[in-house]
Amino acid sequence: GENVEQHPSTLSVQEGDSAVIKCTYSDSASNYFPWYKQELGKRPQLIIDIRSNVGEKKDQRIAVTLNKTAKHFSLHITETQPEDSAVYFCAASAASGNTGKLIFGQGTTLQVKP
Amino acid sequence: DAGVTQSPTHLIKTRGQQVTLRCSPKSGHDTVSWYQQALGQGPQFIFQYYEEEERQRGNFPDRFSGHQFPNYSSELNVNALLLGDSALYLCASSWGWETQYFGPGTRLLVL
Repeated sequence: GENVEQHPSTLSVQEGDSAVIKCTYSDSASNYFPWYKQELGKRPQLIIDIRSNVGEKKDQRIAVTLNKTAKHFSLHITETQPEDSAVYFCAASAASGNTGKLIFGQGTTLQVKP
Repeated sequence: DAGVTQSPTHLIKTRGQQVTLRCSPKSGHDTVSWYQQALGQGPQFIFQYYEEEERQRGNFPDRFSGHQFPNYSSELNVNALLLGDSALYLCASSWGWETQYFGPGTRLLVL
C-alpha cells in the first residue's frame, strides 16, 4: 500500500548548523510533496512544497529536493534558529482530477540548541 | 480573510457515544479533507469531500462518516466511539487538489 518513511525521528543541531530530513515514498504515482511544521499543540503549517516536474525548490533558508527515480525527497534547513524547533512532517500525494489525499511520514522532532 | 476553523476545540466522550466535529474551510476553498492524528504520529487520512460528495476514503471503518454542505463547510461524525478514537482530528481545506491548509484541530478524548 501507500507508505511514506521519514528519517530521522529526532534530530538535534546547534544553532547556525544545517538540518536535513529525508523521506521515501512507495507510490510511484505520487506527484506532490509538501512539508509541514507542527509546533506543540498547534496546527501543521505548510513550509514548502514541490511538484514532480521540479527537482529542487528554495525559499530563503529552506529547500526541498526530489529524486523521482529513487522515490525520495529531502528537506534542508540552513542557518538553523531556535524557533525552527518543532516536529516536521513530509507527505506525498498522488493528486489527480479533484482529489489528493496526503500520506504523511511519522515526523521528525528537530531541536535547535542555542 | 479567515483561515480554516474547527469546532469544538476539545471534547470528552465515553465509549459507545457519538460525536460530530465541524470544519469551515478557508475562503475560496471548495475541498475539505479530514485527518486523524494520534499522539506522536503523523496525520492519517480519513476522507475528502468535494462538491458535497466523498471523493476519497482512507482506511477507516464505516463508523466514520462525513458530510459537506453547499457552503463547503463539513462535518465528521464518529459513531460507537472506542478508546482508540482518542486523537487530534484535523480538517484541511484546499482548492481542488491544490495545497491543503490545516485547521487548529479538535482534540477528542474517549473515556
